Amino acid sequence: AQSVTQLGSHVSVSEGALVLLRCNYSSSVPPYLFWYVQYPNQGLQLLLKYTSAATLVKGINGFEAEFKKSETSFHLTKPSAHMSDAAEYFCAVSPGYSSASKIIFGSGTRLSIRP
Amino acid sequence: DVKVTQSSRYLVKRTGEKVFLECVQDMDHENMFWYRQDPGLGLRLIYFSYDVKMKEKGDIPEGYSVSREKKERFSLILESASTNQTSMYLCASRMDRGPDTQYFGPGTRLTVL
Repeated sequence: AQSVTQLGSHVSVSEGALVLLRCNYSSSVPPYLFWYVQYPNQGLQLLLKYTSAATLVKGINGFEAEFKKSETSFHLTKPSAHMSDAAEYFCAVSPGYSSASKIIFGSGTRLSIRP
Repeated sequence: DVKVTQSSRYLVKRTGEKVFLECVQDMDHENMFWYRQDPGLGLRLIYFSYDVKMKEKGDIPEGYSVSREKKERFSLILESASTNQTSMYLCASRMDRGPDTQYFGPGTRLTVL
């Protein structure tokens, strides 16, 4: 069965510091991997996705993630946090190419930014 | 831009009522999804549809049903609302296949008294 584990339900960093949000996945087939962000009182929006091209994926707002097959990880990073990055972040895996493939979400990590 | 709209942002219903949550997308997407979001549990899939009149159960379908009579509209139905169905409900659509991006609506916060 496919699954996603996000380590840390809450991460707090200082403004200007490195952001690192951890995600590990389990998939029996080559996965498609996503990071979504949810700002307060909004739906989710895509930050970036891995679809088996380059292993280092760049997304919006300066975020990037690296697919590491040997570690089954897809951690999200940003070199310098900004106050506007405060939100909840979800890692997700889609384990198949077909139109009936479901996306499986992790439980989310709430990112807080200290001034 | 893709737009996914949900009929209500906030809804308050009483136990035992039949509740309809409507979702409409304007980009001719094949797939549509209903999730519920609860603190600490992330998003859990209730039902999804990969074509008109087609539906598949997700991880937590009990107490819910869905309807997709037209491609752009996907309805979630709570036949007899219960207090444990108080939650945030998110609708999403996707063009077609696994690697395609899901686009989400703003959510409906449902309270069942």
